[in-house]
Amino acid sequence: EAGVAQSPRYKIIEKRQSVAFWCNPISGHATLYWYQQILGQGPKLLIQFQNNGVVDDSQLPKDRFSAERLKGVDSTLKIQPAKLEDSAVYLCASSQDRRTEAFFGQGTRLTVV
Amino acid sequence: DQQVKQNSPSLSVQEGRISILNCDYTNSMFDYFLWYKKYPAEGPTFLISISSIKDKNEDGRFTVFLNKSAKHLSLHIVPSQPGDSAVYFCAASPRITGNQFYFGTGTSLTVIP
Repeated sequence: EAGVAQSPRYKIIEKRQSVAFWCNPISGHATLYWYQQILGQGPKLLIQFQNNGVVDDSQLPKDRFSAERLKGVDSTLKIQPAKLEDSAVYLCASSQDRRTEAFFGQGTRLTVV
Repeated sequence: DQQVKQNSPSLSVQEGRISILNCDYTNSMFDYFLWYKKYPAEGPTFLISISSIKDKNEDGRFTVFLNKSAKHLSLHIVPSQPGDSAVYFCAASPRITGNQFYFGTGTSLTVIP
């Protein structure tokens, strides 16, 4: 079974630029998560989708971050404009439903300079 | 507000001995707990989970214990192997609501050959 795919693996941008991350979850998984992991901390949820609907985006900085999950499969997370404090690893995860364990992709390491 | 805490940033254990990783939580609504293992430059990998209706769950060399009254769980690895060297994250969720997973800050385990 293929795992969660994310791209790109690494990205370096200047502050105030925009960036987009892509995620393809495990086939058949209804729930998709985007987490932000800052160095030395645990992953923090940004947004949770159930199929193509948003379940929880209470911790998403909506003035600069946006996410969508078209057709309930792939998802993109965008940051515009980026700030220095957005430097982190962005992890995508999926689960069969909202009550089972989540499986993570390898993450995208973003560096904002 | 850190709802899941891992108070030991690091742990070193001799190969063949037991590794015990600890985790505390504050939210009494949490009823589903998971451990993830993370190698450098990779996403977290699901290891083992436990529901609040149990106090122990075992999978090979890995056993998770849950003490609901103390709001404490632990992961035991016996015997420890050098390949177990990684960062271990504890996560918790109010499963009944299908809500997000809350992660601790991680414990870096080093198994010395």
